[in-house]
Amino acid sequence: AQSVTQLDSHVSVSEGTPVLLRCNYSSSYSPSLFWYVQHPNKGLQLLLKYTSAATLVKGINGFEAEFKKSETSFHLTKPSAHMSDAAEYFCVVAGRYNAGNNRKLIWGLGTSLAVNP
Amino acid sequence: GAVVSQHPSWVICKSGTSVKIECRSLDFQATTMFWYRQFPKQSLMLMATSNEGSKATYEQGVEKDKFLINHASLTLSTLTVTSAHPEDSSFYICSANSGRVQTQYFGPGTRLLVL
Repeated sequence: AQSVTQLDSHVSVSEGTPVLLRCNYSSSYSPSLFWYVQHPNKGLQLLLKYTSAATLVKGINGFEAEFKKSETSFHLTKPSAHMSDAAEYFCVVAGRYNAGNNRKLIWGLGTSLAVNP
Repeated sequence: GAVVSQHPSWVICKSGTSVKIECRSLDFQATTMFWYRQFPKQSLMLMATSNEGSKATYEQGVEKDKFLINHASLTLSTLTVTSAHPEDSSFYICSANSGRVQTQYFGPGTRLLVL
């Protein structure tokens, strides 16, 4: 079975400093992994996804994540935080295809990122 | 591209009434739409998966008679919360993907408050 664990429920950084949001996954096969961001009163936005191509995935807004199979991790990073990055971040792993050729998304509990001026 | 809209964004209703929430894919055909529920400060909980033209597949513990889902066209799915009660108050989010692209694109959500 697939599962995902976000190691920090809350992260606080100063503006201009690096961001690290940690995610570990469990999967019995090669996983597809995603990071989504949810700003207050806005919809979920896909930041980036890993689907067995390059292990270092670049996303929008300067975010990137590295897939490390040996560590079963998919941590999200950004070199320099901006005030507008304050939001809720979700690490997600895609489950197996079902009979309808759909994949159920398995969500982490989220990490709330605060950016201090 | 890949924009999903939801309507309404906010709804307040009396206990016992039914509420319909629409989810539309604006610039692509969504063969599959998903309905989620999110409680405050919590992650998303998948309620059901619907494929255009067929019955929705509900997750364990989700009452299909309580949460009616219709996916009549490739761009529209509706969720009707029947006989709503205060415990149904939540943030409901839909997502959609096309047949070839498994990435889910999310709507902005609908906040439901049942008094």
